[in-house]
Amino acid sequence: DAKTTQPPSMDCAEGRAANLPCNHSTISGNEYVYWYRQIHSQGPQYIIHGLKNNETNEMASLIITEDRKSSTLILPHATLRDTAVYYCIVRTSNTGNQFYFGTGTSLTVIP
Amino acid sequence: SQTIHQWPATLVQPVGSPLSLECTVEGTSNPNLYWYRQAAGRGLQLLFYSVGIGQISSEVPQNLSASRPQDRQFILSSKKLLLSDSGFYLCALGQGSSYNSPLHFGNGTRLTVT
Repeated sequence: DAKTTQPPSMDCAEGRAANLPCNHSTISGNEYVYWYRQIHSQGPQYIIHGLKNNETNEMASLIITEDRKSSTLILPHATLRDTAVYYCIVRTSNTGNQFYFGTGTSLTVIP
Repeated sequence: SQTIHQWPATLVQPVGSPLSLECTVEGTSNPNLYWYRQAAGRGLQLLFYSVGIGQISSEVPQNLSASRPQDRQFILSSKKLLLSDSGFYLCALGQGSSYNSPLHFGNGTRLTVT
């Protein structure tokens, strides 16, 4: 039970920003939002995580709404290598502090 | 830096045969270790996690077991494989119980039971 809701699939044009949404309406005040991606036949790759402030690293930006009930992962300039399944995860006390993966969003970057 | 070693990368085993998959980590101490499985076309399922030597928590009752004989070693086993045990097995490493701590995954073992 991943406690998050993501669209099953999205397309994005190469070079454009990819904005991947996630709903986590039951998140509690001390629980972080994590994003991972999985390219076919590889292990999931950690991208970014955050609590309530927006976060940015070399891979992506994470925008968390003020009420923390949803977030958006932004890949600023999508490339073909960003084609992957993207997972949004909330690590919660209700799940024994473990990471539970849902089905994610399959992002296809189109040339 | 932390490194996760899993082997073998691929494995084909007959039904009823035993299984032993090993995961070792480097560059860290007292890690939390995890086994996940991903069936073909499906999401990741948490199988076992361990917060220390000899401490194993099972998430899903099934044909598998896990052991942690050393701080940086985590082993997944089965006495008799079933066809349904086929999948992509991933070892993961985490630190502490804080929510502010990501998991990092190895490259996985793809198991096919025939």
